Amino acid sequence: QLQLQESGPGLVKPSETLSLTCTVSGGSINSNSYYWGWIRQPPGKGLEWIGTIYYSGSTYYNPSLKSRVTMSVDTSKNQFSLRLTSVTAADTAVYFCAALKTSGYCSGGSCSTRFDPWGQGTLVTVSS
Amino acid sequence: EIVLTQSPATLSLSPGERATLSCRASQSLSSYLAWYQQKPGQAPRLLIYDASNRATGIPARFSGSGSGTDFTLTISSLEPEDFAVYYCQQRSHWPWGITFGQGTRLEIK
Repeated sequence: QLQLQESGPGLVKPSETLSLTCTVSGGSINSNSYYWGWIRQPPGKGLEWIGTIYYSGSTYYNPSLKSRVTMSVDTSKNQFSLRLTSVTAADTAVYFCAALKTSGYCSGGSCSTRFDPWGQGTLVTVSS
Repeated sequence: EIVLTQSPATLSLSPGERATLSCRASQSLSSYLAWYQQKPGQAPRLLIYDASNRATGIPARFSGSGSGTDFTLTISSLEPEDFAVYYCQQRSHWPWGITFGQGTRLEIK
């Protein structure tokens, strides 16, 4: 079955760039059944969607982070990646990657979508 | 941006009791809402999608209902392992975006 695993540095200095990779196993990142997403969770707080990418390279970002986020996909390695520039202490969080299943059905302004499965998450601390 | 508001923030119940969690959207979602359970130190787990469909392997005591702007997650009889934080989530079509509710913490009374 589909499994996802995050990797990357656990400590990033303020003003530098956070880079994480998610490796997909048990399935192909080229699947037209899935998008691929990043979600983060600051310590003790709720979930925040960062962005989503399709295997074709189409990207969708949270407007609050859009100016600092870049996502990419490497189909040869079955991986997708996140770059977040100019980080501050407010970017300290557990970062999750997840498969985003969408049926293609939309009604009005909303669409059928769910994250499943998720990676285990990786804590990234921004500190000098 | 569609805002999801969950209530209550914290729900204190005993094992065996029925839990009712609410998620209200700022705009109609039709029936396109998902629910997740998160335990400490773990990734969220999908429970319900499209408002009322249980995900694979989810026990029958979990059920979802609602449409439009008001949605409910019900746990019919709480087991000890059900005490966790629960989130709702939606995806808007235009602009393309995903939001989560702020979560409901279900704690043992």
